[in-house]
Amino acid sequence: QVQLQESGPGLVKASETLSLTCSVSGSSVSNYTYYWSWIRQPPGKGLEWIGYVYYSGITNSNPSLKSRLTIAVDTSKNQFSLKLTSVTAADTAVYFCARAPSLLTGPWFDPWGQGTLVTVSS
Amino acid sequence: EIVLTQSPATLSLSPGERATLSCRASQSVSNYLAWYQQKPGQAPRLLIYDASNRATGIPARFSGSGSGTDFTLTISSLEPEDFAVYYCQQHGNWPFTFGPGTTVDIK
Repeated sequence: QVQLQESGPGLVKASETLSLTCSVSGSSVSNYTYYWSWIRQPPGKGLEWIGYVYYSGITNSNPSLKSRLTIAVDTSKNQFSLKLTSVTAADTAVYFCARAPSLLTGPWFDPWGQGTLVTVSS
Repeated sequence: EIVLTQSPATLSLSPGERATLSCRASQSVSNYLAWYQQKPGQAPRLLIYDASNRATGIPARFSGSGSGTDFTLTISSLEPEDFAVYYCQQHGNWPFTFGPGTTVDIK
């Protein structure tokens, strides 16, 4: 059974860097058939795709966040991570990690982690 | 960026009734559309991918159809556990985008 679990600070100060890690069990981040993805959801709102990383370290991200975003994979720990710099209140959200098939038809997300709420404080 | 519009915003139905949810894309996404179910406090769960393929373990009462710009998720007979928010997501064009969601609540 594949499980993903997000971890990281629940409170980040404005202008600082948000850092999260997703730990994967039951599947290997070295598996070339998957992308490892981040998605977020502001409280009471809809979903926004953030980006994904491939086992090789290649990434793809939402252009709205690209300049502030780093996504990386750590195959030795079977984890992947997200760093978002210069955060503002607009970055307050539940952050989900998810697995996606690495197909030419693009990623759908399954399964998902339970999500972690990150609040940006002023 | 492809914009997805979902209708209705809210659908009020009784258990046993049929639910029909719509997702429209601002330009063609071929059949590269997924549907998710989200319950309060939970992560979304994949229901359908490639417009009509049920994900592993999803009951047969859930079905998807459509191509191009117009898509439908049908729940043939609502069970109590089906009352939730449903999102569509296009997975054919970068950046990958989600619709705003349809809430299916109990009438």
